[in-house]
Amino acid sequence: GESVGLHLPTLSVQEGDNSIINCAYSNSASDYFIWYKQESGKGPQFIIDIRSNMDKRQGQRVTVLLNKTVKHLSLQIAATQPGDSAVYFCAEKMSFGNEKLTFGTGTRLTIIP
Amino acid sequence: GAVVSQHPSWVICKSGTSVKIECRSLDFQATTMFWYRQFPKQSLMLMATSNEGSKATYEQGVEKDKFLINHASLTLSTLTVTSAHPEDSSFYICSARDGRGFGLSDTQYFGPGTRLTVL
Repeated sequence: GESVGLHLPTLSVQEGDNSIINCAYSNSASDYFIWYKQESGKGPQFIIDIRSNMDKRQGQRVTVLLNKTVKHLSLQIAATQPGDSAVYFCAEKMSFGNEKLTFGTGTRLTIIP
Repeated sequence: GAVVSQHPSWVICKSGTSVKIECRSLDFQATTMFWYRQFPKQSLMLMATSNEGSKATYEQGVEKDKFLINHASLTLSTLTVTSAHPEDSSFYICSARDGRGFGLSDTQYFGPGTRLTVL
C-alpha cells in the first residue's frame, strides 16, 4: 500500500550545525506535504508545507525540498538550537479535497550542546 | 492565530468508565476536525474525521460505538471513549482544518493532546 516513511529514526546534530531530515513517499498522486515538529508530551506543531507544483520553500531557519522524480521530501534546519530537539514528522495528503493526512514514522532529532 | 485546545490535558480513569475529551478551535472556525491516537514512540494514527453537523467518518478498525465523536459546532468536537479499558490508554490528539482561505485550506493545526490512562 501507499506509505510515507522516513529514512532514519534518529539524528544527532551539534548545536549550530545544519540538520537534514529526509522522508520518502510512494504515492505520486500526493500533492501537499507538511512537516510537523512534536515535542515530548505535546501535539504536533506545524513547521512548513509545500505543494507539488513547487520544489523548494523556505521559512525561518527551515527549508523544505521536494523531489517529485524520486518521491523524496526533506527538511533542512539551519543553525540548530537546543530547542530544535524533537520528533519530526512528514505528512502527505493524497489529493486536494481529501482531508486525510498520512504521517510518516518520525525522526527524533537531538541537538548536542 | 490557528490555535487548537484540548481538555483535559490528562486523565486517569478506572476500567469500564467513560471519558470525554474536548477539542476546540479558539480563533477560527473548523468545519472539519480530526481525531488521532498515538502510542509511545509511534506515529499518529487517524481514528476519525469529524464534520460539523454530520456523522463522523471512522477509519477502518476503529469502533464507532466505542469512540463516540460529536461535532456540534464549528469550534468544538468531542471524543468520548466509552467503557474504557487499559488497552485504550494512549495519547489522543485532535486537529482542526482552517477553512478560511484557499491558501490555508489544507493545513491542519493540532491540539496539545490528552494523555488517557485507564487503570
